[in-house]
Order: sequence, then structure tokens, then C-alpha cells
Amino acid sequence: SQQGEEDPQALSIQEGENATMNCSYKTSINNLQWYRQNSGRGLVHLILIRSNEREKHSGRLRVTLDTSKKSSSLLITASRAADTASYFCATSGGSNYKLTFGKGTLLTVNP
Amino acid sequence: SQTIHQWPATLVQPVGSPLSLECTVEGTSNPNLYWYRQAAGRGLQLLFYSIGIGQISSEVPQNLSASRPQDRQFILSSKKLLLSDSGFYLCAWSVRGLSGELFFGEGSRLTVL
Repeated sequence: SQQGEEDPQALSIQEGENATMNCSYKTSINNLQWYRQNSGRGLVHLILIRSNEREKHSGRLRVTLDTSKKSSSLLITASRAADTASYFCATSGGSNYKLTFGKGTLLTVNP
Repeated sequence: SQTIHQWPATLVQPVGSPLSLECTVEGTSNPNLYWYRQAAGRGLQLLFYSIGIGQISSEVPQNLSASRPQDRQFILSSKKLLLSDSGFYLCAWSVRGLSGELFFGEGSRLTVL
């Protein structure tokens, strides 16, 4: 299975701090994506990193990918209370039209 | 711009009753379409995906079925619901041929009693 596994399962920080979430997967991938889900809502795509990329930035988000370790990390800098949500990694392997999701990290940012 | 609509948002059904969840996409053509299920506090499980009208791939054996009667319409059905069918169902679409970024609907919460 290519399923990603996020770590930690839950993370609680204070506003202004940085939040780091990790994702590990098992088989080779074409790309790895991070999504955000507010409670009871659909998922929203945050960022995609291809297998030949090592780092990518988007606003306050920084994603790294280490294909030798089959792992990725998502860093949210200067967190805000509005960043409170669940964050999922998803991997795309042999067929780009099929994504496999992990169980997610629940991030709580306390004001 | 593209939008995705999913309904109903909330559904409470008795065991053994039928189910129909509907999803439509606007503003794009030939999308890949997906149904995922999310159990409480868990990740997303891919149930079905479709790369074209009438082309449905099932990922998990279950008493659910999916149909794609039109290019931008995806329907999830069951003839007889089980308690274990309770969950949060998410429809999503992606642009065919690209990197696989998914665009999700707002979800349908199903409670089977």
C-alpha cells in the first residue's frame, strides 16, 4: 500500500509558533500532496511536491520530500488560530488519478 | 471557475433502507470523479473512481455502488444500508491527465440507525 501515515496524530501549539507535521509512505510515488480539512468540511488542497523535488514553499507553508526515506514534512510558520484543522498527506503512485490518504494530523492552534 | 456540488449534506437513514448521494461538477469537462468515505477520526478511504461515463472502478468490496450517468455527475448508491455504512462521504474531482490534485465537495454525513 502507498498509504501515507502522518505523525503526530495530534499537535497543540500557541499562536505564532511553528507547526511541523510528518508523513511517511511505503512505495515509490509520482508526487505527494498535502490537504487541509476544517471540522465537518471537505478537504482543500494545499501544496503538491513532485518526486524529483526536495522542497517547496507556498506562503507560510514549507514542504520537504525525502524519497530515500520515503517521508515528507509540512511546516506551517507563524501559526494562527485559523490554521486549526486536520492535515492530510496523500500520495500518487503509478496512476496519477488515484490518491491514497493518510489518517491525518489534528492541529490545534491556541490563541 | 469550477465548482462541485454534493448533496444531501446530512442524512439519517434506517438500516436496510436505500441510499443515493449525488455529486455534480461545473465548469470543466471530462473530469476524473471520486467517492471517498471518512470514518470518525480516520483518514479517507477511496471507494470508487471514474475516468469516464460508465467507467467505474471499485476499490473496496461493499454493499455500495457508483454510477456516472453523465460526464459531470457521479452517484453513490446502496440498495440496503448497513450500520457500518455510517460516515462522512466526500465527492471529489480532478483534471484528467494532470498531477492528480483533487477538488472536494463539502461532504455528506450519513448516519445509519
